Amino acid sequence: AQTVTQSQPEMSVQEAETVTLSCTYDTSESDYYLFWYKQPPSRQMILVIRQEAYKQQNATENRFSVNFQKAAKSFSLKISDSQLGDAAMYFCAYRSAMAAGNKLTFGGGTRVLVKP
Amino acid sequence: DAGVIQSPRHEVTEMGQEVTLRCKPISGHDYLFWYRQTMMRGLELLIYFNNNVPIDDSGMPEDRFSAKMPNASFSTLKIQPSEPRDSAVYFCASSSGSYNEQFFGPGTRLTVL
Repeated sequence: AQTVTQSQPEMSVQEAETVTLSCTYDTSESDYYLFWYKQPPSRQMILVIRQEAYKQQNATENRFSVNFQKAAKSFSLKISDSQLGDAAMYFCAYRSAMAAGNKLTFGGGTRVLVKP
Repeated sequence: DAGVIQSPRHEVTEMGQEVTLRCKPISGHDYLFWYRQTMMRGLELLIYFNNNVPIDDSGMPEDRFSAKMPNASFSTLKIQPSEPRDSAVYFCASSSGSYNEQFFGPGTRLTVL
């Protein structure tokens, strides 16, 4: 079974600075998808960024970018120019690319605090 | 589109009572997922449907939990009888196809006293 680990329960960043969240995963599969979800106090789960394992290029979405290291099974999220609205829980998630493996497996989450 | 709709947003009930959570997926989506979020166990998948058919219910904790999807626009998650350890936030999510993004609803916060 796949597992996803987020080793940082909480991270604090100054507004306009950069913060990096760590995520490692364990799988025996070669083809899969990785995601970062944001959960603000409203509880709504919002997709931030996704990465296909077969792509070597790291995904980016505006101020959000990932560092995908397939051999190390590492998938970190970098938030640049942090804004107050970035304060939230962030969850790393894994999904198999197999036809029957559509479910998401989540890490335990990292709380991001943004200081003005 | 209104997104995934869940009701109620909050539910408080007493131990032993039946609880029914409802979900309306995004129109046209053929996958529907039920997740549970707790402090102890984090976010975990309970069950998911494809074209209204349950595909994987291995995450359903016990027989007290049941889920149905009578049509493409409605699903229910029922707990009977409820217990205090069932207190959690329950999310419904839907997607179009196997490989596309899952869109989450706002969740239902369940408190069992």
